[in-house]
Amino acid sequence: ILNVEQSPQSLHVQEGDSTNFTCSFPSSNFYALHWYRWETAKSPEALFVMTLNGDEKKKGRISATLNTKEGYSYLYIKGSQPEDSATYLCAPANQAGTALIFGKGTTLSVSS
Amino acid sequence: DAMVIQNPRYQVTQFGKPVTLSCSQTLNHNVMYWYQQKSSQAPKLLFHYYDKDFNNEADTPDNFQSRRPNTSFCFLDIRSPGLGDAAMYLCATSREGTDTTNEKLFFGSGTQLSVL
Repeated sequence: ILNVEQSPQSLHVQEGDSTNFTCSFPSSNFYALHWYRWETAKSPEALFVMTLNGDEKKKGRISATLNTKEGYSYLYIKGSQPEDSATYLCAPANQAGTALIFGKGTTLSVSS
Repeated sequence: DAMVIQNPRYQVTQFGKPVTLSCSQTLNHNVMYWYQQKSSQAPKLLFHYYDKDFNNEADTPDNFQSRRPNTSFCFLDIRSPGLGDAAMYLCATSREGTDTTNEKLFFGSGTQLSVL
């Protein structure tokens, strides 16, 4: 069973602040790392799927990096806006034949 | 347009009374998943179907069953709900398995189950 840790558990920032959170996962048998955003009363939506060590992906003001050797990924949000308020979930996939295992998520609240 | 649809959005059942949650998809994806999320916890995978092949997680209680009568529909049956089964139940799909490709999941908006 994969052990996925996300920190911090929750975060409150002011509009315009930049922020980042961490996802830690076992580095053995790594295949891919997924990030999802889950806004209240909506469906979780995929942000990124990352597979290569050193990979960096960007979507608007949100970006993510991946270190597969040490088993962590960072998610960055530049200039946070109230609409960024959501829970951000990470989930590693390995090649052991299991489906995605999620972390508890980081809940971001952005005040205007 | 919603591609993974879960009904109902909120479901209330009585302790011990069987309940069925439904999920449908318009994506024609091969894989369908059921996750359970309790407050402040990680979404926990209960089981998934690859086409008609059922894959049960080792720690999923026997009280939880699933059916996939066709590609589009998947059901979660809770035979005798207990108070501890109150949770958000999320259905998701992927075109292929996430363990062999970098396929992302498409989620429904979930069914919040309350057990009285």
